Amino acid sequence: EVQLVQSGTEVKKPGESLKISCKTSGYNFISYWIGWVRQTPEKGLEWIGVIYPGDSDTRYSPSFRGHVTMSVDKSMSAASLQWSTLQASDTAIYYCARCRVPYARDAFDIWGEGTMVTVSS
Amino acid sequence: EIALTQSPATLSLSPGERATLSCRASQTVRTYLAWYQQKPGQAPRLLIYDASNRATGIPARFSGSGSGRDFTLTISSLEPEDSAVYYCHQRSNVHTWTFGQGTKVEIK
Repeated sequence: EVQLVQSGTEVKKPGESLKISCKTSGYNFISYWIGWVRQTPEKGLEWIGVIYPGDSDTRYSPSFRGHVTMSVDKSMSAASLQWSTLQASDTAIYYCARCRVPYARDAFDIWGEGTMVTVSS
Repeated sequence: EIALTQSPATLSLSPGERATLSCRASQTVRTYLAWYQQKPGQAPRLLIYDASNRATGIPARFSGSGSGRDFTLTISSLEPEDSAVYYCHQRSNVHTWTFGQGTKVEIK
């Protein structure tokens, strides 16, 4: 069974750093693009970007480029999303999701359960 | 950035009725459009990819159509478990993937 299991809820202060993870299993990790999506009540679903674990090729939304960093750990079959300086506006649920077919940036067919991030002083 | 506008915002129908959800793109996305269903407290679930292809395990009552700028998700005969928010998602331009704002389907 293909699974994406995300790390747990985070509560941070503005200015702090954070790295959340997405541990995958049940498929060939390096062959499928993985994406990240943010969800807030105000803006709904927002695409952050995608990363290809095979060579760490990345595509970022212009809205998020420079503020977050996507990475992978092939030895752990895991993807990560990190911030060096959190802002209150980063408060959201963050989902990782796998692209549907290998090697292609496709629709997201398998999703993690989401990681709730709260940034508050 | 390609904007996706979904309508209506809310749809309230009875079981067995047909639901028609619309998604309009600000410019052509060819057929690079997907539909997702999201229930409260859950992650989105892929229903339709490439405008008209049902994802694995999705019941036949869900169908998608359209190309270019205008797309439709149809639920042919609503079941109580179809109560959810439905989102469209375009991947036409890899630098500007976007989601619609969602349509909430309520079952009376």
